[in-house]
Amino acid sequence: GAGVSQSPSNKVTEKGKDVELRCDPISGHTALYWYRQSLGQGLEFLIYFQGNSAPDKSGLPSDRFSAERTGGSVSTLTIQRTQQEDSAVYLCASSPQGAVGQPQHFGDGTRLSIL
Amino acid sequence: GDSVTQMEGPVTLSEEAFLTINCTYTATGYPSLFWYVQYPGEGLQLLLKATKADDKGSNKGFEATYRKETTSFHLEKGSVQVSDSAVYFCALSDRAPLVFGKGTRLSVIA
Repeated sequence: GAGVSQSPSNKVTEKGKDVELRCDPISGHTALYWYRQSLGQGLEFLIYFQGNSAPDKSGLPSDRFSAERTGGSVSTLTIQRTQQEDSAVYLCASSPQGAVGQPQHFGDGTRLSIL
Repeated sequence: GDSVTQMEGPVTLSEEAFLTINCTYTATGYPSLFWYVQYPGEGLQLLLKATKADDKGSNKGFEATYRKETTSFHLEKGSVQVSDSAVYFCALSDRAPLVFGKGTRLSVIA
């Protein structure tokens, strides 16, 4: 079946611009996660949505980062006033219920480059 | 906070060699442990997992045993192939989000 889908696959933008990254999770998965993969920091958790609960935003690095999940499905990660240190691969994952020990299914990521 | 430490790479092995990638963790609770793999040009995918002490996860000839006494989850394979060349990530979860190690790049040469 269809996996986690992310778009765009690549994004190049100028410093100071806003960007939106999209994630379409596996159908029926109630848990959705955003991670960031960068050379210096490895894989870092950003934000987690589980059903209708308030999202866990504890990993967001600054208030320039925000995310929404509409209708319990598609999610958008927005970065405002981008900086060069935001350059990274942004990964989205989903799991059936978000329970501890449940494997997460990852998309191929969006490679973001800030000029 | 929770953390995962895995051996730094890159690791280069000849085909059919024995592989060990060390992983140790720090966690306040009783986490689940995972190995994820990222093949060249592909996304991150689950390789194996273990959810409690002494559990052994296995897949594609890879194995890892959850050792609570040493807080370790070392990845092993008896005979690696060129197709195993990838980046391997150890991860833990004691709440839903994963905490990852920095990854170990493995290159297997024929």
